[in-house]
Amino acid sequence: QVQLQESGPGLVKPSQTLSLTCTVSGGSVSSPDYYWSWVRQPPGKGLEWIGHIYYSGRTYYNPSLQSRVTIFLDTSNIQFSLNVTSVTAADTAVYYCARRFYDFGHGLDVWGQGTTVTVSS
Amino acid sequence: SYGLIQPPSLSVSPGQTASITCSADNLGENYVCWYQQKTGQSPVLVIYQDAKRPSGIPERFSGSNSGSTATLTISGTQAMDEADYYCQACDSGTGVFGTGTKVTVL
Repeated sequence: QVQLQESGPGLVKPSQTLSLTCTVSGGSVSSPDYYWSWVRQPPGKGLEWIGHIYYSGRTYYNPSLQSRVTIFLDTSNIQFSLNVTSVTAADTAVYYCARRFYDFGHGLDVWGQGTTVTVSS
Repeated sequence: SYGLIQPPSLSVSPGQTASITCSADNLGENYVCWYQQKTGQSPVLVIYQDAKRPSGIPERFSGSNSGSTATLTISGTQAMDEADYYCQACDSGTGVFGTGTKVTVL
């Protein structure tokens, strides 16, 4: 049974870089069967897809965030990470990592519990 | 990239049918997935590839997608179905979510 767990600082200062890591238990990010995704949810608002990465390193990003976001795989094969640069208060959100089967039309079937990130000085 | 539009809220009586729509130009040409999110919890996938249910999702959840509208239908709605529901364009190159619908069972 695959489980995902987000980790990282809960507080980030404006203009700095937000960095989060997702640890995969019971699986590997080097599997060709899955995309590994990041999703966020600002307080009281809806879900926002950030992007996802395939085992090959190919990435797909939300166009609205693409200029500030990087998703990458860790050489440990059990972690993948998210960087968001030049953060503002609008980046305050619960950040989720999730897994999606690679084939067309499959949804995010395994999610982490989410980690809250606040952007404030 | 496009926006997926959902009604903000929907009220349904227990035992009745709830139909949640998700709209975008030519949405029927893309696969749609649906998620349920209860307060304080991570989302749960309830429909993928327009109409398929993951293991463990009750049969009362069904989906369709044609033209410009995808629909999630909850038949015989139960109190436990009260939640926020989100559609998602779930083809490989994108993952954009809909605006979300709050379903109230009363």
